[in-house]
Amino acid sequence: GAVVSQHPSRVICKSGTSVKIECRSLDFQATTMFWYRQFPKQSLMLMATSNEGSKATYEQGVEKDKFLINHASLTLSTLTVTSAHPEDSSFYICSGGGVYGYTFGSGTRLTVV
Amino acid sequence: ELKVEQNPLFLSMQEGKNYTIYCNYSTTSDRLYWYRQDPGKSLESLFVLLSNGAVKQEGRLMASLDTKARLSTLHITAAVHDLSATYFCAVDPARRSGYALNFGKGTSLLVTP
Repeated sequence: GAVVSQHPSRVICKSGTSVKIECRSLDFQATTMFWYRQFPKQSLMLMATSNEGSKATYEQGVEKDKFLINHASLTLSTLTVTSAHPEDSSFYICSGGGVYGYTFGSGTRLTVV
Repeated sequence: ELKVEQNPLFLSMQEGKNYTIYCNYSTTSDRLYWYRQDPGKSLESLFVLLSNGAVKQEGRLMASLDTKARLSTLHITAAVHDLSATYFCAVDPARRSGYALNFGKGTSLLVTP
């Protein structure tokens, strides 16, 4: 079946640094990639939607200059958290949309210290 | 705006008992998904319901969809401890992969001896 590979699974970074999270669709073309964040004991919150080759659409309240999304190809999308702060610590999950419906990555636990 | 309401949000049940989780949504849709999430993990797809009256079963879990009532249920039969997890329903607002799923808040299930 369709697989989305997400890396890294865990990352700890210092406040003020940037972190890049990668999601690759391994056996299908993800025409659309969705990025979510999840706080403990809460549901998934959609951050942005990106389509290959075009700018991402951000949800209200999500800073596009802080959360940079690149969807350069049908198999790779990246989320870069710039100038990370402790409040950015969260679980980030990508989801690829294509002919197989929705396929979720394994998630990235970001801790900013 | 499509709203998805799950209830209950927390459920503690004894092994061997039966229970149902409900998922109501606010607009017309005939595509509904159920996911399981274990602590620290991403989402695991359980069921995809694609039409009115759809019923799917896997082990001790059975999901159904009534699009006229805008209601999906996840029924647990003879619960076992391994079913302890958080369960999310999610509604596809459009028949196109360019739209993100709308998630319920999740039901945290604890199965006790």
